[in-house]
Amino acid sequence: GAVVSQHPSRVICKSGTSVKIECRSLDFQATTMFWYRQFPKQSLMLMATSNEGSKATYEQGVEKDKFLINHASLTLSTLTVTSAHPEDSSFYICSAHEDSSIKNTEAFFGQGTRLTVV
Amino acid sequence: DAKTTQPNSMESNEEEPVHLPCNHSTISGTDYIHWYRQLPSQGPEYVIHGLTSNVNNRMASLAIAEDRKSSTLILHRATLRDAAVYYCIRQGGSEKLVFGKGTKLTVNP
Repeated sequence: GAVVSQHPSRVICKSGTSVKIECRSLDFQATTMFWYRQFPKQSLMLMATSNEGSKATYEQGVEKDKFLINHASLTLSTLTVTSAHPEDSSFYICSAHEDSSIKNTEAFFGQGTRLTVV
Repeated sequence: DAKTTQPNSMESNEEEPVHLPCNHSTISGTDYIHWYRQLPSQGPEYVIHGLTSNVNNRMASLAIAEDRKSSTLILHRATLRDAAVYYCIRQGGSEKLVFGKGTKLTVNP
């Protein structure tokens, strides 16, 4: 099946610095990717929809200036957590669909990125 | 608003069938029902999805009620590797997958 790869899988950064997380579709093109965040023992929370060549669409309550999303190519979306603070520590996960039609198709998820802000 | 209701947890014994229920009483006619599962510290994995008819694949079966207000994910023979959190998701017009709390499945040896 299709593969979505995230990098890094784990990162520790100092408070106030920025961290970039990459999400790549390895063997297919994805015009749309999704970013989720998951706190311990909680479910995935959708943060934003990343659209190739255009601005991301953020869910209500997600700060677009803090979580910068860039989808510059059909195989790469990046999430930058700017001025990270300890409360941003979480498990970040991306997903993509192999088909340009998202509905009625399976989503492929990355393995996730564990961010720890100290 | 995940718009689906699942039990918080369920237990099963190895090699026995497992029936994971999901209620989606406000589902509309064009909403798909998706199931994903997640192991600890991993991204979710697709299990199965359907619209109206029952669906089978190598991993599981999906039984959808005639009125579509509920569905059941069936694992025919549970293994220890099936222990995970199972999410039932209603995919509506926005096409986004919005996760609810899911059901944590424990498989006993």
